[in-house]
Formats: sequence, structure tokens, C-alpha cells
Amino acid sequence: EADIYQTPRYLVIGTGKKITLECSQTMGHDKMYWYQQDPGMELHLIHYSYGVNSTEKGDLSSESTVSRIRTEHFPLTLESARPSHTSQYLCASSEIGGVRGKLFFGSGTQLSVL
Amino acid sequence: AQRVTQPEKLLSVFKGAPVELKCNYSYSGSPELFWYVQYSRQRLQLLLRHISRESIKGFTADLNKGETSFHLKKPFAQEEDSAMYYCAFSGNTGKLIFGQGTTLQVKP
Repeated sequence: EADIYQTPRYLVIGTGKKITLECSQTMGHDKMYWYQQDPGMELHLIHYSYGVNSTEKGDLSSESTVSRIRTEHFPLTLESARPSHTSQYLCASSEIGGVRGKLFFGSGTQLSVL
Repeated sequence: AQRVTQPEKLLSVFKGAPVELKCNYSYSGSPELFWYVQYSRQRLQLLLRHISRESIKGFTADLNKGETSFHLKKPFAQEEDSAMYYCAFSGNTGKLIFGQGTTLQVKP
């Protein structure tokens, strides 16, 4: 079934650890995005990609990095997690030439850094 | 700066009452506006777009360029409308900018 998957759903980790948040989609979409959301706040775009080997930083500065080696996979990495990274991270995808503004979201990863 | 503002964090109404979720944007060009919804334990999903001028689940939204607003309306709220609603806007960059969201609570 075509879908967008995020793992893990919840992650509690200590300061200084390296973490990778996984995002995969089987929808055949070229565009993928990472949004960060603190409780009660707006979603902030932190990274996006329009295809393989294409990655761009979003509007909110983030210490995380992303890669797009395969169309379906768009992982986000934090080399050294800090409490300020505690947030919800949402992955999304959309189709080039599809309905403009229609993003398909994953279930999100709630990250807590102690 | 391009920005979307949803002034209400929480809107609580009784079933059958009219609903208006407010959204204002700041952008000098021609924007594209959207409403996204997140029901409990479900993912964020597109509800409607201003360009399609459609009614989805009884909700409508009209773009008012003079007031730079895109309020979401429904004449008679239902309990199943209870959810988190996000207004989003796309300007010349093509990227979606989201507001802070409004929780709609429809009481029986």
C-alpha cells in the first residue's frame, strides 16, 4: 500500500548521542520534506528535497542534516543530540505536477533528549 | 516576511453552532492558501485549497485579499469536526508555511 512511514514513533535519548530519524515513502513522490513542531507552535520547514541528490535547508535553521540517496528514503540525522532538539519531527512528501500544496504526512517522530 | 497567523489556539462550540476558524496571512503577492486538518490519532492531511473553491465536509473558505484572510467556515458544527486545524500558505517560493493551528472542540 502506498504510504509514508516514519520510525521510530517515539525516541528518548541522552545528550550527545547521534540519532537518525527514518522516513520512507512508497508513493513514488519526488518531493520530500522535514518539518519540526514544538507543542502549540507552527510547523517549521527544516529540510526539503526535490529529488535524488537534491537537499535544501528550510526556513528554520536546524543543526540536523539530511540525505537523499534513493527516491523513497529521506533520513534526518543529528550528530550530537541536545535537549533543545526535543520536538516533534514530521516527514512529508508530494508529487511534482500533482495537486499544488498537497502534502502527504507521516505519523511523526516525537524526540525527547534528556 | 511571509507569515500565517491563527489568532485562536482553541475554539469551543456546541454541536449545530456555526464555526469560523480565523486565518490571516502577510504577503504582498498572490498567495495560495490551504487548510490542513489533524483528527485525533490521525495524520495531518489537506482539507481544502482556496484555488479549488470547493466545500469539503461542509467546510468552505474564501480568500479575501483586501483583509489578507482565509477563514474556514461551517454553518453547523458536528462532533466529528473536533480536530486541530492548520492554515497554510504558499508564496513565491512554493514552500508551505503553516500557522500555529487552532483546536476546534465541538461539544454535544
